[in-house]
Amino acid sequence: DAKTTQPPSMDCAEGRAANLPCNHSTISGNEYVYWYRQIHSQGPQYIIHGLKNNETNEMASLIITEDRKSSTLILPHATLRDTAVYYCIVRASGGYQKVTFGTGTKLQVIP
Amino acid sequence: DAGITQSPRHKVTETGTPVTLRCHQTENHRYMYWYRQDPGHGLRLIHYSYGVKDTDKGEVSDGYSVSRSKTEDFLLTLESATSSQTSVYFCAISGGWASGREETQYFGPGTRLLVL
Repeated sequence: DAKTTQPPSMDCAEGRAANLPCNHSTISGNEYVYWYRQIHSQGPQYIIHGLKNNETNEMASLIITEDRKSSTLILPHATLRDTAVYYCIVRASGGYQKVTFGTGTKLQVIP
Repeated sequence: DAGITQSPRHKVTETGTPVTLRCHQTENHRYMYWYRQDPGHGLRLIHYSYGVKDTDKGEVSDGYSVSRSKTEDFLLTLESATSSQTSVYFCAISGGWASGREETQYFGPGTRLLVL
């Protein structure tokens, strides 16, 4: 699986959009970009994933650059409940897949 | 959220005693995984299962065994618990039997284990 690089921490004002970047310059053509988050003491929570097109669901939007070497997770209106560690993961498709979490980005939403 | 439960949610035990953690899913997913999470190490895969009675080792399997006698249950056993096995244990599931293309892993709430 390709390695990812994320900033260790970010702050965001409540109600504003939170934009979390991720670099994955060694991504292969069959590898997907996944985002998870982990709120303190809870299990990792799946947010969104994509291959090359931008994706949106009820939680967030995922913007993937045309060369697929980086992506941005957007939480459109951050709330205090969005304070968590956010993990960007790149992995291929097919069958069993071990999820490898890096150190992630600690997002602090500020009132 | 995916229907995954883990039991117990918290456990304190003594060194040398056997411990079994249970993961139960209601999603009929094919793949099930056990991870442990420790400060400075992130998530590490212990064992995984790709079907009933089909299991394999992950990267940190020493001292652990698993069993899957039913689709919905995946058990993790510490044969003789040690203090180094104090950790938070997460179960995860993925994969549909029919298509085999669903890759997203969904995680359970975790079990906090303290070995004294």
